[in-house]
Amino acid sequence: EDKVVQSPLSLVVHEGDTVTLNCSYEVTNFRSLLWYKQEKKAPTFLFMLTSSGIEKKSGRLSSILDKKELSSILNITATQTGDSAIYLCAVEKNNDMRFGAGTRLTVKP
Amino acid sequence: GAVVSQHPSWVICKSGTSVKIECRSLDFQATTMFWYRQFPKQSLMLMATSNEGSKATYEQGVEKDKFLINHASLTLSTLTVTSAHPEDSSFYICSARDYGNRTDTQYFGPGTRLTVL
Repeated sequence: EDKVVQSPLSLVVHEGDTVTLNCSYEVTNFRSLLWYKQEKKAPTFLFMLTSSGIEKKSGRLSSILDKKELSSILNITATQTGDSAIYLCAVEKNNDMRFGAGTRLTVKP
Repeated sequence: GAVVSQHPSWVICKSGTSVKIECRSLDFQATTMFWYRQFPKQSLMLMATSNEGSKATYEQGVEKDKFLINHASLTLSTLTVTSAHPEDSSFYICSARDYGNRTDTQYFGPGTRLTVL
């Protein structure tokens, strides 16, 4: 059975802290792993990872995939209150996707 | 964890026909379900919020007469794409909110790929 597991489920930090969010997966026919940020309406796309070991970076956010460990991490440095959101990990398969339950990040001033 | 299923997983249809996609919460009651459409570059667009026993709330720009949503029970919402055209070809994803869960977690279905010829 396909699984995508995110940890932690919830995280509270203070502004300026660095956080690492985890996503592990067990799926057949893996194509790519995606990270999304969900604040209000639709999840906003952050990264798509297909190759192991290659870090993708966007501002204070970065992510890397480890196909050997079947996992990915999303790092956020110097967190700001605007980073408060639910971060979703999804694995794209040949014909469908599997989402994790998300990590709820709260950044306090 | 909670599971949301979608049926069918993929469908190919001719232009002008209607297609129904089902979204089910398998082990929890979902008073609210959401329908998304995936666009190129992986972005997701919220199409509508489906509330059990009442009319769906559509996002701006989404034609309610074209994308019919019915949330007939606490575990089932359906999206019907009426008179489908090639531009409706997309990946449609639903999610369901588990209000029984303290964290109000939203669980996503695996998606339905629609191809309109």
